[in-house]
Amino acid sequence: QQPVQSPQAVILREGEDAVINCSSSKALYSVHWYRQKHGEAPVFLMILLKGGEQKGHEKISASFNEKKQQSSLYLTASQLSYSGTYFCGTYNQGGKLIFGQGTELSVKP
Amino acid sequence: DAGVIQSPRHEVTEMGQEVTLRCKPISGHNSLFWYRQTMMRGLELLIYFNNNVPIDDSGMPEDRFSAKMPNASFSTLKIQPSEPRDSAVYFCASSGVGDQPQHFGDGTRLSIL
Repeated sequence: QQPVQSPQAVILREGEDAVINCSSSKALYSVHWYRQKHGEAPVFLMILLKGGEQKGHEKISASFNEKKQQSSLYLTASQLSYSGTYFCGTYNQGGKLIFGQGTELSVKP
Repeated sequence: DAGVIQSPRHEVTEMGQEVTLRCKPISGHNSLFWYRQTMMRGLELLIYFNNNVPIDDSGMPEDRFSAKMPNASFSTLKIQPSEPRDSAVYFCASSGVGDQPQHFGDGTRLSIL
């Protein structure tokens, strides 16, 4: 079952904040987040392995609510380099990572 | 450190031809994944291997697609015969065993005319 991401697209000005949500109808064992810039391969951002866990790097962080079967990615004080498509991936009981449809983020000067 | 290496980077061929995509995973990684990405269907997992053994090929679209991993450092994805609807970007990724971050290659942009 593919996780559902929202919003599908978001446009920001530099310095603004954004939240991208990822939800699943199935129990989640972990959530991965990846970013893909146009014409490039997806790049791993972070993985959340425990319910309620928050991880982050600089101004990008994420939370994982196991009970609600959802994760959120937080981008604070966005920079031009944050532009790209963000994918969440949920790891299911079968040991397979299923990616959401992606959220396209555009940061304008 | 060398990342995941895919070849060719671009492939343009005519319908009906055989296409072979190649992947060299990161040394020491036990899992290898083949994905297909299109605008319509997004990022789809085609097949994945653990320790060179195919574990789940339920994403392989049809019998025209086949994948092999003869050893820990090489895998191929073959399409025979190719069709225009196979046009997409094909990514190979590798990871450590279990729920680990996946490292993607640069992809092969395939166009079937």
